[in-house]
Amino acid sequence: VMTQYPLSLPVSPGEPASISCRSSQSLRLSDGYHYLDWYLQKPGQSPQLLIYMGSRRASGVPDRFSGTGSGTDFTLEISRVEAEDVGVYYCMQTLQSPCSFGQGTKLEIK
Amino acid sequence: EVLLVESGGGFVQRGGSLRLSCAASGFTFSSYNMNWVRQAPGKGLEWLSFISSSSRTIYYSYSVEGRFTTSRDNAKNSLYLEMSSLRTEDTAIYYCARDVKIPGRPSHPIALDSWGQGTLLTVSS
Repeated sequence: VMTQYPLSLPVSPGEPASISCRSSQSLRLSDGYHYLDWYLQKPGQSPQLLIYMGSRRASGVPDRFSGTGSGTDFTLEISRVEAEDVGVYYCMQTLQSPCSFGQGTKLEIK
Repeated sequence: EVLLVESGGGFVQRGGSLRLSCAASGFTFSSYNMNWVRQAPGKGLEWLSFISSSSRTIYYSYSVEGRFTTSRDNAKNSLYLEMSSLRTEDTAIYYCARDVKIPGRPSHPIALDSWGQGTLLTVSS
């Protein structure tokens, strides 16, 4: 089970933001990697991959996005929120099937 | 440019069947694992299924196992989701998504790096 918090996150432009994701079990595989991804679904769009394997930034993702964490607790950090960052953020575990998403965190601009 | 285009959605009665397709282009389809994900109206994302590049490994979520079947035709660059015994709670937008390619973990989901625009399935009672 993946639990995200907060579920709603109002942020002023230029301010940092942080979203947490907790798994009911460790997402670390024997290869040493953590199988936890972060996605952003902008309004009216399909989801897009931001971070995979805990901390690897996907191609084309701005470096203001970063993923940290280990074991069961993970965080997506946005160093300076921009207007284009609004939408719903999801974490997803791919350690084992069935894969599962968190409930989503809605980021809005104050 | 990677392009994934889902089709086949529409209206179906409860208990009915339908097949969704996902046409891939812009990459070597036969080399990538693929997934299906859905999103009920106003709700979050739900992972449904994974199929490896060779079709040798297929996984399903508990909610669709036994009712849905994922397959692919690498010669046609296409992914399919055969759905039967449909329920009203299967009403959702269905997305196909390409999996990231990482050496060392070839037959398991890792991350979904490209998504289609989705196709809407409505199951009526």
